Formats: sequence, C-alpha cells, structure tokens
Amino acid sequence: GEDVEQSLFLSVREGDSSVINCTYTDSSSTYLYWYKQEPGAGLQLLTYIFSNMDMKQDQRLTVLLNKKDKHLSLRIADTQTGDSAIYFCAEMAAGFQKLVFGTGTRLLVSP
Amino acid sequence: DGGITQSPKYLFRKEGQNVTLSCEQNLNHDAMYWYRQDPGQGLRLIYYSQIVNDFQKGDIAEGYSVSREKKESFPLTVTSAQKNPTAFYLCASSASGLNLYNEQFFGPGTRLTVL
Repeated sequence: GEDVEQSLFLSVREGDSSVINCTYTDSSSTYLYWYKQEPGAGLQLLTYIFSNMDMKQDQRLTVLLNKKDKHLSLRIADTQTGDSAIYFCAEMAAGFQKLVFGTGTRLLVSP
Repeated sequence: DGGITQSPKYLFRKEGQNVTLSCEQNLNHDAMYWYRQDPGQGLRLIYYSQIVNDFQKGDIAEGYSVSREKKESFPLTVTSAQKNPTAFYLCASSASGLNLYNEQFFGPGTRLTVL
C-alpha cells in the first residue's frame, strides 16, 4: 500500500534555506506534489514533479527526486516569514487521481 | 472567480446529531473529494467522486455519507455513527480525463466541533 512520511517540524531563520524531506513507498507513482497550508485554510499547490524527472526549479523552490530511494525534497531559498506554514508532500496512487498525503511538516521561520 | 466554497467555516453540533457539510465548485471539474485533517496526521481521504451520480469510499468512510447529484456539489454528512467527528474537513476537486497532471484545488475547509 501507499505510505508517505515527513518529519513534523522544521525551524529556520529568515534568509536561510529550508529543506523539507519526504519519503514514499509506491514506486509506481507518476506525479509527486508539494502543497502549502496556511493556518485555518485549505491547501495550495506549490509545485509538482513527474516521476521521470530528477529536479525541478521554480523561482525560490527546488524539488529533488531520488526515485531509487523514493525520496523527495523541497528546498526553499531565502526563506521568508511568510513561508511559515505546513507543507505536505503527496503522491498520486497508481490507477487513479487519488492523492496520498504525508503527515505534513510545520515550517516556522523566525526573524 | 472560479473556485471551491465550503460552508460554514465553523460548525458546532451536539453529540448524536447528524450534520451536513457543504462543498460547491464552479471550476467545471468532474472529480471531487472529501478529506479529514487531524493534527499530526495529515489528510485522510473519506470519499471521492469521479463523476455525477457515482462515488467511492476512501480510507476512512465509516460514519460518513455523501451524494453527488450535481456536478458542482458534493455534500458530506457526518453521522452519529462517526465515533470521533471533531476535525477539520477539506473538500477538493480536480479535472479528470486524459490529463495525468491532476492538480487538486482545495476549499477553505470547515472546522467541525462536536460538543
């Protein structure tokens, strides 16, 4: 079955880089996603990566995918206080548009 | 503006009462989903619907029911059989078909508290 794991908490200083990690188990996943959730709100898609890619960069965001180790990471450069939120990785389960979400990593950015 | 609306934002109910959470989308999406979020547990799928008049159980469907009579609406009923209903409920939708990149768009959520 599918399972997605993340560490629960990350604290960084403003201006530093943040790296949020995720491991997944379904080797047949086609797309992997990073979502952001601000307090009391729904989730917002930040970026995604197709499983045949190793890296994707989008402005301050860099996604790295190690398919052999089933490891996904999200790097946020020049982290700002507005980046404080919960970040979820998710994989698309084989066969359908069902997403399996990780537990979420709470990022706290201090000034 | 296209998007997903959920109402109400906060909902309080007494134990033993059924309650229905609303979810409406005007994105013309075929697929809709209901998730439950508890602290430290991420999102768990309750029910999903790929098309009107059809829906499937997710991972934690017990104690919940849904209907999909209209494309734009996917209400969730939390019944008295749900043992621990207090949670944050999120509705989402996505386009379906040949597009493999299926971004799910989320509503703002409803926080249900059972007293």
